[in-house]
Amino acid sequence: KAGVTQTPRYLIKTRGQQVTLSCSPISGHRSVSWYQQTPGQGLQFLFEYFSETQRNKGNFPGRFSGRQFSNSRSEMNVSTLELGDSALYLCASSPNSGGDTQYFGPGTRLTVL
Amino acid sequence: GESVGLHLPTLSVQEGDNSIINCAYSNSASDYFIWYKQESGKGPQFIIDIRSNMDKRQGQRVTVLLNKTVKHLSLQIAATQPGDSAVYFCAETYAGGTSYGKLTFGQGTILTVHP
Repeated sequence: KAGVTQTPRYLIKTRGQQVTLSCSPISGHRSVSWYQQTPGQGLQFLFEYFSETQRNKGNFPGRFSGRQFSNSRSEMNVSTLELGDSALYLCASSPNSGGDTQYFGPGTRLTVL
Repeated sequence: GESVGLHLPTLSVQEGDNSIINCAYSNSASDYFIWYKQESGKGPQFIIDIRSNMDKRQGQRVTVLLNKTVKHLSLQIAATQPGDSAVYFCAETYAGGTSYGKLTFGQGTILTVHP
């Protein structure tokens, strides 16, 4: 089975721009979670989607949003980028929601200049 | 204020030694725990998991121990190899309620294995 894929792998944007990141889960997995990883804060949960519905949300401002499509693929969007948004954005998928092992993709490295 | 960054604990061992990585978790309601390994430039890779109804679980060369009384988790790696060098994270979650797919991660431990 193919693993979780994320596109693009690297991205450079400037302050004020917006960005959309994409995640394709493992085939058959219905839950997709997003995490932000920075040297200062470590790995932090952004949100989780299951069957096209946001099930849980972390403590991030409303500039961070996401969605999930009927084929379980997910996108996250960050609007009005700030320098502090520079991070590795990781997507993880699991078969169902709650208590299932999450498998991570390679991440998208976002740099905001 | 300016972020000073996480200062990750480090563990340095010789090839062939056994390694023990520790983790203190925060939520007494957490009932599912996972260890991940992250190599440079890659996403976290699943190593082993354990549910709260167990106190020990073994995999290939790895063992996870769970002490719910003191909210402590450990990962033991037998016969550590240079390829085990990476950052290791513990993660916790609560399968019920509204936690759903939210994992809470520890700060991580850098393991360096010397040949």
